[in-house]
Amino acid sequence: DGGITQSPKYLFRKEGQNVTLSCEQNLNHDAMYWYRQDPGQGLRLIYYSQIVNDFQKGDIAEGYSVSREKKESFPLTVTSAQKNPTAFYLCASSRQGPSYEQYFGPGTRLTVT
Amino acid sequence: AQSVTQPDIHITVSEGASLELRCNYSYGATPYLFWYVQSPGQGLQLLLKYFSGDTLVQGIKGFEAEFKRSQSSFNLRKPSVHWSDAAEYFCAVGELGNEKLTFGTGTRLTIIP
Repeated sequence: DGGITQSPKYLFRKEGQNVTLSCEQNLNHDAMYWYRQDPGQGLRLIYYSQIVNDFQKGDIAEGYSVSREKKESFPLTVTSAQKNPTAFYLCASSRQGPSYEQYFGPGTRLTVT
Repeated sequence: AQSVTQPDIHITVSEGASLELRCNYSYGATPYLFWYVQSPGQGLQLLLKYFSGDTLVQGIKGFEAEFKRSQSSFNLRKPSVHWSDAAEYFCAVGELGNEKLTFGTGTRLTIIP
């Protein structure tokens, strides 16, 4: 079955540590996205990539970094510079263009203490 | 810049009753409109989408939405809700020339017996 996988489902880290969230898709989609979800704030775009080896900042990129070395993979690193990293993180992918819906992974809940 | 407003944070509906979730948007050109549903701790699933043509669109799980250009609205409806419809619902808008979707803050739906 085609889809998007995110791992792990739950992640716990100590403050000051960098952590990388995994996102893999086998839908052959060119575009991939990372969102952060906090209660009452909807989805906020962190980074997106329309093609391998290229990515753009979203609305809340500070404290995050990404890479897109393969079409299937778009890992997100939450760095120690992110002030409030505890959140639910969602990865999505789509075909190119705004008319195509985004397909979402199951999410990773990150807790930093 | 495009924006999406979901004025209702939380709605409670009796099982079997009808449902309407509101979505208003602002955009610069032809909008591409989506409704997604999210169960707790899960990713988002597409319910339906509108690009052009018939302004009443049918989606999965018995949902429909109507695009009203004059009111800048894309409200989601269901004639008779089921307990399994309890979830959070997000409206999103995209537009030509912009690879990003803008999401509303969501409406949480509670179903009572």
